[in-house]
Amino acid sequence: DQQVKQNSPSLSVQEGRISILNCDYTNSMFDYFLWYKKYPAEGPTFLISISSIKDKNEDGRFTVFLNKSAKHLSLHIVPSQPGDSAVYFCAAFYTGNQFYFGTGTSLTVIP
Amino acid sequence: GAVVSQHPSWVICKSGTSVKIECRSLDFQATTMFWYRQFPKQSLMLMATSNEGSKATYEQGVEKDKFLINHASLTLSTLTVTSAHPEDSSFYICSAITGTSYNEQFFGPGTRLTVL
Repeated sequence: DQQVKQNSPSLSVQEGRISILNCDYTNSMFDYFLWYKKYPAEGPTFLISISSIKDKNEDGRFTVFLNKSAKHLSLHIVPSQPGDSAVYFCAAFYTGNQFYFGTGTSLTVIP
Repeated sequence: GAVVSQHPSWVICKSGTSVKIECRSLDFQATTMFWYRQFPKQSLMLMATSNEGSKATYEQGVEKDKFLINHASLTLSTLTVTSAHPEDSSFYICSAITGTSYNEQFFGPGTRLTVL
């Protein structure tokens, strides 16, 4: 049962442009959402998070938007840089419960 | 941020052998550690949750007799894949949290297991 879904397995963006990665979820109990960045053969590293009481959280070039009514969140990276090329996972959980991860989106930023 | 290490990073073994993977929190005490498995082009799937000094809690469908987890101290958890078979080949990742906050998990670099 895939409760967190990333429907785009890959995305290519020109350097300097905006990258938008999308994530949908099915469980309305989720109250915390996170984005992780992962390079090949490495563990995920935390990028940015948002709680369900907010609809936007910004950290430098990274902004996460949450639309609870649509059960949708997105990660915006602007401007995109070649070093941003990686696989991005969204994850969700509700307090005290396990994390649920999406299948990941591979982002390629073209110089 | 907090650092979690895993050893080995890559292991190749023959079918039928057992493999032990270590997960260590290097600069913090991890009250809870998690073990995940990732197949190619798939999401991280939680296998089990382990708390120091107690038995691990396994997710549905994960054989606890095959994947032995020992969380002997606040800085070390081990996953032993017993009698490994080719279908166990995967990327195994551990993570750890401090206290009871699930807001951030600190992930290890992962272990690539290949069973011949």
